[in-house]
Amino acid sequence: QKEVEQDPGPLSVPEGAIVSLNCTYSNSAFQYFMWYRQYSRKGPELLMYTYSSGNKEDGRFTAQVDKSSKYISLFIRDSQPSDSATYLCAMELDFGNEKLTFGTGTRLTIIP
Amino acid sequence: DTGVSQDPRHKITKRGQNVTFRCDPISEHNRLYWYRQTLGQGPEFLTYFQNEAQLEKSRLLSDRFSAERPKGSFSTLEIQRTEQGDSAMYLCASSKTSGSSEQFFGPGTRLTVL
Repeated sequence: QKEVEQDPGPLSVPEGAIVSLNCTYSNSAFQYFMWYRQYSRKGPELLMYTYSSGNKEDGRFTAQVDKSSKYISLFIRDSQPSDSATYLCAMELDFGNEKLTFGTGTRLTIIP
Repeated sequence: DTGVSQDPRHKITKRGQNVTFRCDPISEHNRLYWYRQTLGQGPEFLTYFQNEAQLEKSRLLSDRFSAERPKGSFSTLEIQRTEQGDSAMYLCASSKTSGSSEQFFGPGTRLTVL
């Protein structure tokens, strides 16, 4: 079993819909949680970064972390065709342990 | 452009050949990371440097792989005697030593071993 599980999709939704992307993890020592967006044949781009449990909002994007359930989510409101990409969740054990553990990524397509 | 840069962007080589990739991090970042990403998978950690010191290596980094960061600035990743299983995207990322671990990724080097 992988440390971080993510539904690979693909996921297709109409423009304007709310998108929910999720990851589960098994290692309760993870403290830092990130969401990256990756366009085809490009490097990942950091979208959201949160520490421990709670919510964080940035424009149309909201990240949620529930450490008790070992579950993180990314919500995209008013989705746009430009949001079409692969979304990767990533986690880090604790400060000073720098390597990121990624999910497999969810491929998202927003249909105009 | 002040982001992470990688060179080359694409590399096609024959099995058994050696290849070397270069990464230039964001200038004020003293931490540099290498990851490998195969098709349909997320990036997997290979190794990381703080300044010129290589602090951690993954078990994925076999003896054929070596990484250096001689002056604490750019880094190179060399693969000797390449195998078809080495075909992947090799990603470099950098971050500051400042209490957060936001890693910024370069565009990657796509390696194809024939």
